[in-house]
Amino acid sequence: AQSVTQPDIHITVSEGASLELRCNYSYGATPYLFWYVQSPGQGLQLLLKYFSGDTLVQGIKGFEAEFKRSQSSFNLRKPSVHWSDAAEYFCAAEGGYNTDKLIFGTGTRLQVFP
Amino acid sequence: NAGVTQTPKFQVLKTGQSMTLQCAQDMNHNSMYWYRQDPGMGLRLIYYSASEGTTDKGEVPNGYNVSRLNKREFSLRLESAAPSQTSVYFCASSARQGIPYEQYFGPGTRLTVT
Repeated sequence: AQSVTQPDIHITVSEGASLELRCNYSYGATPYLFWYVQSPGQGLQLLLKYFSGDTLVQGIKGFEAEFKRSQSSFNLRKPSVHWSDAAEYFCAAEGGYNTDKLIFGTGTRLQVFP
Repeated sequence: NAGVTQTPKFQVLKTGQSMTLQCAQDMNHNSMYWYRQDPGMGLRLIYYSASEGTTDKGEVPNGYNVSRLNKREFSLRLESAAPSQTSVYFCASSARQGIPYEQYFGPGTRLTVT
C-alpha cells in the first residue's frame, strides 16, 4: 500500500541550529512530493514540492528538501532555525497523473528553544 | 483573494445531531477536498470532488456526505454525529488539470461531539 512515513514525532532544536526532518515514502513509482507546515491553530501552507528534475528543491522561509530515489526519501532541511519555525511539518505524496489524492505522513512537531 | 474559507470555525454537537460544514474557494479551482486531522494520524481524506458535479470517497468516508454545490462550494455533512467524529476538519482546493498541483487549505473547523 502507498504510504508516507515521518519517523520523528517530535524534534527540539535550539534557535540558530540546523534542522533536518525525515520523510520516507512507499510507492510503486516515484510520486510527487510535498512538504507542508502548520502553525498552531492554522491551516496548512505549502513549503516546497518536487515533481521531477533537480533533486534539491528550494522552498519558502529558507527551507530546502532533497529527493533521494535510492533511499525513497525526501528530507526537509534548514541551515539555521528561527523561533518562528516552531510548528508541525507534514510530508505528503501524490501518486501521479489523475490519482487526485494526497497521502500525508503523521507529522513532526518542531519545538525551538531560544 | 480570500483563498479557501470555512465556516464555522468551532462547533460543539451532541451525539446524534446533524450539521453541515461549509467550504468555498475563490481561485477558480476544479478540485476540492475534505480532510480530518486527528492527533498522531496526520490528515486523512474524507471525500473529494475532481470537478463540479462529481464526488468520490476518500480514505475515511463513513458517517459523512458531501455536496459540490457549484465550482466554488463544497460542503461536508454529518447526518448523525458521533464522538468518533470529534476532529479538526480541513477543506482544500487545487487547480488540478492533468498536471502536478498543490493544494490550498482553509483554516479549519474544530468540531467536538459530546
